[in-house]
Amino acid sequence: NAGVTQTPKFQVLKTGQSMTLQCAQDMNHNSMYWYRQDPGMGLRLIYYSASEGTTDKGEVPNGYNVSRLNKREFSLRLESAAPSQTSVYFCASSGLQGGPQHFGDGTRLSIL
Amino acid sequence: AQRVTQPEKLLSVFKGAPVELKCNYSYSGSPELFWYVQYSRQRLQLLLRHISRESIKGFTADLNKGETSFHLKKPFAQEEDSAMYYCALSVGTSYDKVIFGPGTSLSVIP
Repeated sequence: NAGVTQTPKFQVLKTGQSMTLQCAQDMNHNSMYWYRQDPGMGLRLIYYSASEGTTDKGEVPNGYNVSRLNKREFSLRLESAAPSQTSVYFCASSGLQGGPQHFGDGTRLSIL
Repeated sequence: AQRVTQPEKLLSVFKGAPVELKCNYSYSGSPELFWYVQYSRQRLQLLLRHISRESIKGFTADLNKGETSFHLKKPFAQEEDSAMYYCALSVGTSYDKVIFGPGTSLSVIP
């Protein structure tokens, strides 16, 4: 029952450090997404990948990069972490265009 | 611009009372709308989608294109309904881009 798996679950970084958040899904879904969740702002889309080999910017892409490594994996990279990137990050996948999304447990990231 | 608004950050109701969580959207195309729920210590999960026109856990939601709303309703709230609720809108040619509202925290008072 893995579904969408995110690693790590928690991480503390210092300003300026780099970090890659990993996400993998075992449902053979085409679309994958990265969101950040902040109090009072809900989930905001950072980047998404509609299919293997494609990525597109969401609402808040600045400061992030993504890689759709293969159909299963979609990673999110912070090249130079900033305190404003302290948040809970969620990965999701969807098997159908416009279909429901399946979420991971989230990664709680703190940047000091 | 595409946008989803949920005017209530917090909503408290008594057990057995009706509950309505409001959602409004702005989108020039044909909308695909969803409600997601996050219970304490659980993953965010789909509650229902407008295209299914179904009732899940006693909740229903009707798309009103004239008012650009997709409010979530339940006639009799239960304590286990306490959770965070998000309204979401799929947009784009292939509906691959998803925009979430800020969420409403529902608390059902016993």
